[in-house]
Amino acid sequence: TQLLEQSPQFLSIQEGENLTVYCNSSSVFSSLQWYRQEPGEGPVLLVTVVTGGEVKKLKRLTFQFGDARKDSSLHITAAQPGDTGLYLCAGNGGSEKLVFGKGTKLTVNP
Amino acid sequence: ETGVTQTPRHLVMGMTNKKSLKCEQHLGHNAMYWYKQSAKKPLELMFVYSLEERVENNSVPSRFSPECPNSSHLFLHLHTLQPEDSALYLCASSRTMGGLAGGRQYFGPGTRLTVT
Repeated sequence: TQLLEQSPQFLSIQEGENLTVYCNSSSVFSSLQWYRQEPGEGPVLLVTVVTGGEVKKLKRLTFQFGDARKDSSLHITAAQPGDTGLYLCAGNGGSEKLVFGKGTKLTVNP
Repeated sequence: ETGVTQTPRHLVMGMTNKKSLKCEQHLGHNAMYWYKQSAKKPLELMFVYSLEERVENNSVPSRFSPECPNSSHLFLHLHTLQPEDSALYLCASSRTMGGLAGGRQYFGPGTRLTVT
């Protein structure tokens, strides 16, 4: 069974701070996705990474896929209250199912 | 607005009740999914339908019964649920089934279910 471990589980920071959250596995994934889920809503896809070592940027968010395709990180620069939400990583190990981590719940305080 | 709607948004039911959750997608997709999101577990895939045929039943108890009458609608019929079934039930759709090749999944807002 492929598992994705996300850390930290909870993170509370002040507006303007930088942060990094992690998604790790002992399994290799052909691709990894990051989602943000806001209260009362479903997850929304932020990015998909498919190549080992790949780095993608989305405004203040930087996503990295590990060289061995077993881990990924999400770095947010100068966090804003609008970044508050549950950040989920999901992996595609080659089957037709997505495997999700438990998520990191981020709170950015004004 | 993701193009996937779910009703009701909140549902409280007793263990002897029968209720149904509804999902509708306006994206022209051919694959639809039911997921369960509990407080202390990862998002769990329950069922997958592709072109109205069930192609995945992820060891879900029979008290959950899915129905897909057409490619735009998906139902989850509930009966004799247990308190541990309380969770957020999310519907999603994608262009086709098949991981990354099937296209991104679009999620609805979910139904918050409480079983008393």
